[in-house]
Amino acid sequence: DGGITQSPKYLFRKEGQNVTLSCEQNLNHDAMYWYRQDPGQGLRLIYYSQIVNDFQKGDIAEGYSVSREKKESFPLTVTSAQKNPTAFYLCASSITTANTEAFFGQGTRLTVV
Amino acid sequence: EDKVVQSPLSLVVHEGDTVTLNCSYEVTNFRSLLWYKQEKKAPTFLFMLTSSGIEKKSGRLSSILDKKELFSILNITATQTGDSAVYLCAVVGSQGNLIFGKGTKLSVKP
Repeated sequence: DGGITQSPKYLFRKEGQNVTLSCEQNLNHDAMYWYRQDPGQGLRLIYYSQIVNDFQKGDIAEGYSVSREKKESFPLTVTSAQKNPTAFYLCASSITTANTEAFFGQGTRLTVV
Repeated sequence: EDKVVQSPLSLVVHEGDTVTLNCSYEVTNFRSLLWYKQEKKAPTFLFMLTSSGIEKKSGRLSSILDKKELFSILNITATQTGDSAVYLCAVVGSQGNLIFGKGTKLSVKP
């Protein structure tokens, strides 16, 4: 089945550790996105990528890093520099960044203790 | 700075009521506006609007865009408890990225 898969669904980490969230899509989409969702904040854009080997910072990129070495994969690393990493993270993809709907994964809930 | 503002932030209605959710935006080089429904985890796509004044309709849900006044509305008629969700509005920004509003949390009481 075509779709976008995030793993794991739940993740616990100790403060100070880096953690990588996985996002894979088999929809042959060029564009991929990472969002963070906090209660009452809606979705805030962390990073996005319009094409392989290229990505841009979103509104809240500090403390995060990404890579786009393959079209189908867009992993997000939450580094120890991120001050409030506990949140719900959503990955999405779309055919291009213009005029096409984005499909979302089921999300990863990260809890840092 | 591109931005999307949704109102109200939350709304409680009873089954059978009609609701209107609002989305206003400021964006350079507007391309499209999208509505999503988020019940638990992944937002699911409802509508994409690119042309002003043309209503998109799906069952009891409908949406329209006003590009002159820079807003869109999402209407839900004869609401049901299954309509309870967060409704998200997003606009494709000048950089080609999706910019979301904070969402409207709709609660439909039996």
